[in-house]
Amino acid sequence: AQTVTQSQPEMSVQEAETVTLSCTYDTSENNYYLFWYKQPPSRQMILVIRQEAYKQQNATENRFSVNFQKAAKSFSLKISDSQLGDTAMYFCAFILITSGSRLTFGEGTQLTVNP
Amino acid sequence: ETGVTQSPTHLIKTRGQQVTLRCSSQSGHNTVSWYQQALGQGPQFIFQYYREEENGRGNFPPRFSGLQFPNYSSELNVNALELDDSALYLCASSLPGPIGANVLTFGAGSRLTVL
Repeated sequence: AQTVTQSQPEMSVQEAETVTLSCTYDTSENNYYLFWYKQPPSRQMILVIRQEAYKQQNATENRFSVNFQKAAKSFSLKISDSQLGDTAMYFCAFILITSGSRLTFGEGTQLTVNP
Repeated sequence: ETGVTQSPTHLIKTRGQQVTLRCSSQSGHNTVSWYQQALGQGPQFIFQYYREEENGRGNFPPRFSGLQFPNYSSELNVNALELDDSALYLCASSLPGPIGANVLTFGAGSRLTVL
């Protein structure tokens, strides 16, 4: 079974600064994807960034980037130039390529961006 | 292109009752999955539907059941409601194919309260 652990229940950052959210996972499989999802108070889960396990290069999407360490089973999210709209719950998630839409989520990190 | 829509947005039931939640998938998506998100926790996979059949199930009892219709919309039914069923129920749809099936688009959820 796969597990995802987010050890930071809450974090805060000043607007325009950089923050890193941590995530570790456990699996014996090799073919999987990792995701960071954002859930604002509107409740809709929004995809922030995706990383394919077979790719060594870390994924980047504008102000969002990941540090993917496959051997250490670590997948952290870095948010640069934080904005007030980044305030949300952030979930790290794992999926086996063969499992269709069966995501395993972590417990989440509540990020607050302060003005 | 419309996203994933869910109804109702909120509902209150009493213990022992039955509830039906509905989901319309994003255009072109033929796989639908359901997740239960208890307060303060990450979503938990309930099951997924592909071509109108259940195709993968998480650790949920049989009183959680579903349907998928020819237009790919879906229902989640929960019988004999228990207090612990109080949660946000998220529906997600995804594209066909082994790669597309891993990228989910979520709805805003249905908030169920069981009294």
